[in-house]
Amino acid sequence: SQTIHQWPATLVQPVGSPLSLECTVEGTSNPNLYWYRQAAGRGLQLLFYSVGIGQISSEVPQNLSASRPQDRQFILSSKKLLLSDSGFYLCASVNSRDRGHGYTFGSGTRLTVV
Amino acid sequence: GEDVEQSLFLSVREGDSSVINCTYTDSSSTYLYWYKQEPGAGLQLLTYIFSNMDMKQDQRLTVLLNKKDKHLSLRIADTQTGDSAIYFCAERASGNYQLIWGAGTKLIIKP
Repeated sequence: SQTIHQWPATLVQPVGSPLSLECTVEGTSNPNLYWYRQAAGRGLQLLFYSVGIGQISSEVPQNLSASRPQDRQFILSSKKLLLSDSGFYLCASVNSRDRGHGYTFGSGTRLTVV
Repeated sequence: GEDVEQSLFLSVREGDSSVINCTYTDSSSTYLYWYKQEPGAGLQLLTYIFSNMDMKQDQRLTVLLNKKDKHLSLRIADTQTGDSAIYFCAERASGNYQLIWGAGTKLIIKP
């Protein structure tokens, strides 16, 4: 079964500083990978998804970017954080061989921009 | 476009059954899912149902699917304090692995 590692678990960053959140996946190969943001403990907003190395699709315009340098590594970045970037960031993975094709989620990173 | 709707809150007494409801719009969805999110944690897949089924049972969990009405429900029997969480309904869009998510139902357990 898949395991997703996300770090750090919590992060407090000043406005205008850069951001790099990392997600790595174990136990699968060639997964689809996703970055979600969850505000105030409620709904999930899809930010980016990737179907393969170097392939990134963006769902919403924003000052965030994503990269997939390796098959099982997905990175979320920003050059200059905004207050509105605060939230709970979740990485998820799905593989065509997974029964039911449900997503596996990481434990999340709580980002507070101050 | 596709949409998934859930009520935001459900309050039940400990020991009673909880029924969390969800409606969706994509009639061609293939899989429907229930996820559980405990405070400060990621989402955990609880169960899923394939669209050609109308019921699935797994211990205290029962999923009912009414494909005609595009209605999905999750019943938790003998609700315990550990069931306190936000429950998300999701459907898999036809033709790809994208999930369409509901906003989540917060289950509150009263003693």
